[in-house]
This record gives sequence, C-alpha cells and structure tokens, in this order.
Amino acid sequence: EVQLVESGGGLVKPGGSLRLSCAASGFTFSNFVMNWVRQAPGKGLEWVSSISSSSNYMYYSDSMKGRFTISRDNGKNSLYLQMNSLRAEDTAVYYCAGARFGEAHGMDVWGQGTTVTVSS
Amino acid sequence: DIQMTQSPSSLSASVGDRVTITCRASQSISTYLNWYQQKPGKAPELLIYAASSLQSGVPSRFSGSGSGTDFTLTISSLQPEDFATYYCQQSYSPPRTFGQGTKVEIK
Repeated sequence: EVQLVESGGGLVKPGGSLRLSCAASGFTFSNFVMNWVRQAPGKGLEWVSSISSSSNYMYYSDSMKGRFTISRDNGKNSLYLQMNSLRAEDTAVYYCAGARFGEAHGMDVWGQGTTVTVSS
Repeated sequence: DIQMTQSPSSLSASVGDRVTITCRASQSISTYLNWYQQKPGKAPELLIYAASSLQSGVPSRFSGSGSGTDFTLTISSLQPEDFATYYCQQSYSPPRTFGQGTKVEIK
C-alpha cells in the first residue's frame, strides 16, 4: 500500500523551531519529487516547498524562504521540514505529498497531515 | 510568482446538477494545471492532472479542460459524495501555487 505518514507536529512558542518528518512506504521514494503543503485553520491549501528526487533542487514559498529547510533521506524513505523562527501565522496542518509521476502529473499521494500550533 | 484565481468561491447545487468551476492563471502555464478535491478533515486527493487527464480511480463524471491561462473543472452530474472543496494548482514553475478553493455545497 502506498503510504505517507507525517510526524513531529505540536505546540511551539513564537520564535521556536520544529522538525517535521514524513515516512514513505509502498513506492520507490527515491525516484520522486516530494512536497510540503500546509493548511491554516479554516483556510485553503498553501504550497510550502519541494525537493527533487536526488536533492539537487529545493524550492520554497517566498514567505518561508530562509526560515524553512526541506531535506530528504532516500535510504530511510523519509522527507523532512526544518522550521525555524516560527510565527503564529505558521499554525497549520502540514501535509507531505508526492508527485510519483512527475510534477506535471500532480501530487498523487498525500499523508494524513500533522498539526503545528505556534502560540505563547 | 504565478497567481491562481478560482471562481466562484462557493456554490450551491443539487444532486444531478452539472457544475463548472473555473481557474485563471496570472500568466500562461500551458497545461500544467492540476485539480484536487478535499473533504473536511481529510487530505486533498488528485482528480485531474495536466489540465485534462483523469487520475486513475476518479469517476468519469469529472473532467478538465483549458490551456494557457484559463481552465475549467466540470462535474457532469453531481453526486452526494462530490460535496467538497476543490482547488486548482499550477505545476508550471515554483512556487507551485494553489487557487483559493471552491466550496461545493448542497442546495
């Protein structure tokens, strides 16, 4: 079964840091572009970041550039998001999503999400 | 950055209705346009990729069209399980922006 499972969410104070993880199974993780997408409470989807299959290319949304770092470990079938200098507006459900057939084919596999709350 | 604008933001429809949602890009994105469905408390699911290709397992009542800057998602005969929020997303260039969403509600 193709599966993505996120972890690492929680409550953090403004200015704090958090590292999200996403464990992949059921497909050849190392072959595919991976993404992070977030959704603030009651709001729409917001693309956060993506990383190429061999980590050659990483892209970020402007509002997260310099604060968030995406990475992956293909040997562990895992994706990560290091989040620093967190703000209240970073409060959201964070999803990892894979584009198994290439970016042009959309993100076809999603995790269930992990919740990040930034509050004092 | 490419801006994606969906319309309407919400709509009310009845079971059996034909529903059309539009998505406009701020610049040409060829056919690098995807559609997702999201139900409350659930992760999004891919419906349509490359503007008009139906994702495996998605019912044929869903269809997509368009190229360049203007795109359409059509549900030919709305079913009870289709009441959800729909998002377009461009995969032409990063940041890979989403539209603001269209909520389809029961009339």
